[in-house]
Amino acid sequence: NAGVTQTPKFQVLKTGQSMTLQCAQDMNHEYMSWYRQDPGMGLRLIHYSVGAGITDQGEVPNGYNVSRSTTEDFPLRLLSAAPSQTSVYFCASSYSVALSTYNEQFFGPGTRLTVL
Amino acid sequence: AQTVTQSQPEMSVQEAETVTLSCTYDTSESNYYLFWYKQPPSRQMILVIRQEAYKQQNATENRFSVNFQKAAKSFSLKISDSQLGDTAMYFCAFIGTNAGKSTFGDGTTLTVKP
Repeated sequence: NAGVTQTPKFQVLKTGQSMTLQCAQDMNHEYMSWYRQDPGMGLRLIHYSVGAGITDQGEVPNGYNVSRSTTEDFPLRLLSAAPSQTSVYFCASSYSVALSTYNEQFFGPGTRLTVL
Repeated sequence: AQTVTQSQPEMSVQEAETVTLSCTYDTSESNYYLFWYKQPPSRQMILVIRQEAYKQQNATENRFSVNFQKAAKSFSLKISDSQLGDTAMYFCAFIGTNAGKSTFGDGTTLTVKP
């Protein structure tokens, strides 16, 4: 298993540009999520999905869109990048979202995004 | 909404000694999970230890153990026989009945000195 993969590893954008951060998992996990990590802070939840076709907002969703057409993939789209979106982005997945069968989140290696 | 607080932004410890990292949380839920994650300079998030709220026994994983005080809403991590490879940022995390929404603390940067 490759686990959770993210592309690209690094990206520089200009203000107003759009791009998609890719995330894929090959563990048949039900739950996937996107976090951002700013310097000196913990991870903040952007969006999450509890299964194909189902997404919901997290703590900091503004400026980001997601969709989940397959179990494996959960891309994060920035429609019009802003300097405030400069951060490290992590994708994560877990087998179940039900607390009774919850295990742990597996994280991707992260994408460092800089918006100029 | 749940909150997770790590009151120690930075800590250091001598190699082979013991260190305790603090975490407090606030929730009205009775059933939940608490986690400690390690993030070394490589940025990869690695699960260190997990505690289920309904289990009174404190979780242990080799040199890592927790002191879970449910009434006080406290979840500290003890690292025994610290090693240079333990140098990392450590995050405390909470997951409640909406297991889709996890909350992380701001982290504690731990430096193990030779």
